[in-house]
Amino acid sequence: GAVVSQHPSRVICKSGTSVKIECRSLDFQATTMFWYRQFPKKSLMLMATSNEGSKATYEQGVEKDKFLINHASLTLSTLTVTSAHPEDSSFYICSIVTPPLNYGYTFGSGTRLTVV
Amino acid sequence: GQQVMQIPQYQHVQEGEDFTTYCNSSTTLSNIQWYKQRPGGHPVFLIQLVKSGEVKKQKRLTFQFGEAKKNSSLHITATQTTDVGTYFCAGWGTNAGKSTFGDGTTLTVKP
Repeated sequence: GAVVSQHPSRVICKSGTSVKIECRSLDFQATTMFWYRQFPKKSLMLMATSNEGSKATYEQGVEKDKFLINHASLTLSTLTVTSAHPEDSSFYICSIVTPPLNYGYTFGSGTRLTVV
Repeated sequence: GQQVMQIPQYQHVQEGEDFTTYCNSSTTLSNIQWYKQRPGGHPVFLIQLVKSGEVKKQKRLTFQFGEAKKNSSLHITATQTTDVGTYFCAGWGTNAGKSTFGDGTTLTVKP
């Protein structure tokens, strides 16, 4: 199956700063990547669909200016949390879907963001 | 929009007991997938069900897809401590390019 690498695994930043999270598809060229946010003991909330070479598609209620997504190549998508605040603290996970679909989503290992 | 409900939210069992989690969609699904997330980890794909009434088994795990393709279940026989984690279903709508995740069922197993 596919391998997805996500970095960093943990990051602590000061309020007001920006944080960039990278998601790499190591052995598959992913035209589409998905970004999720997961609160403690909660489900995965889809934030946006990242499309290589075009603008990301954001889910309703997700601020596109707050969560900047760039998918510049078939193997790399980045999520930048701009002007982070404590309420942005969460677990962020990326995923890809590899054909055939019955392989399901392959998730990155996630990034634990803590804003202090 | 499509909603996927999953129950129960939590389940505590004694090792050796059985466990079942149920997933219900507000709309007909083209397929449903199940994932397991260990504490502190990320979701890992378990299986996909596509056909109406489909039943699949993976050792002690049995997955079912309802006849109407709106509900699904995951049953674990004789739970072990290694089964601990949160189990999510994810339903793909018939016209959707992405899936909707259920809220998950967190299983704890007492040795």
